[in-house]
Amino acid sequence: EAQLVESGGGLVMPGESLRLSCAASGFTFTNAWMNWVRQAPGKGLEWVGRIQSKAHGGTTEYAAPVKGRFTISRDDSKSTLYLQMNSLKTEDTAMYYCTILSSGTFDPWGQGTLVTVSS
Amino acid sequence: QSALTQPPSASGSPGQSVTISCTGTSSDVGGYNYVSWYQQHPGKAPKLMIHEVSKRPSGVPDRFSGSKSGNTASLTVSGLQAEDEADYYCCSYTGIKSYVFGTGTKVTVL
Repeated sequence: EAQLVESGGGLVMPGESLRLSCAASGFTFTNAWMNWVRQAPGKGLEWVGRIQSKAHGGTTEYAAPVKGRFTISRDDSKSTLYLQMNSLKTEDTAMYYCTILSSGTFDPWGQGTLVTVSS
Repeated sequence: QSALTQPPSASGSPGQSVTISCTGTSSDVGGYNYVSWYQQHPGKAPKLMIHEVSKRPSGVPDRFSGSKSGNTASLTVSGLQAEDEADYYCCSYTGIKSYVFGTGTKVTVL
């Protein structure tokens, strides 16, 4: 059974950086297209971005609000997905989930890691 | 990319049916069959309920069904049960290598 476990969240000040990790197990991580989705407190879900498998080029795509500030990467040798977040803003405060994308569908999801950006 | 439009709330008594709409455009919902639905209980991660418009993953009760007409997708929960009380989100591929979620619907079992 596929399992995803996020970590690295915490409290940071505006303008600072943070790196989230997502440890994967129970499936062939190398073949997976991985995504980050976030949810601000009391708000809806928002797609953040994705990284293809290396076999498909390993390219990344990002949502407009984070493009140029966030970077998604992967270490297939460690079955781990990363989200490097720079120049953080208060509006980036959210629970961040990693999830697998297949046939236009996100499944499964990790339990999330909370990022709070506040002065 | 604007969020897909869902009604903020829906409700029904146990055993009844409730249908949630998800309205987008011809560039997302209407243009692709990559529409999915997620259930989220308070404090929990989202759970896939329907994928590719109407396909139900194994383990999801057949009380849950999905459909699409034009730019609007729908999720129907038949035979409502107490455990169906949750937030529900639709999601669609947008054709520009990105995805958009719906605004979310809170389902209450009366």
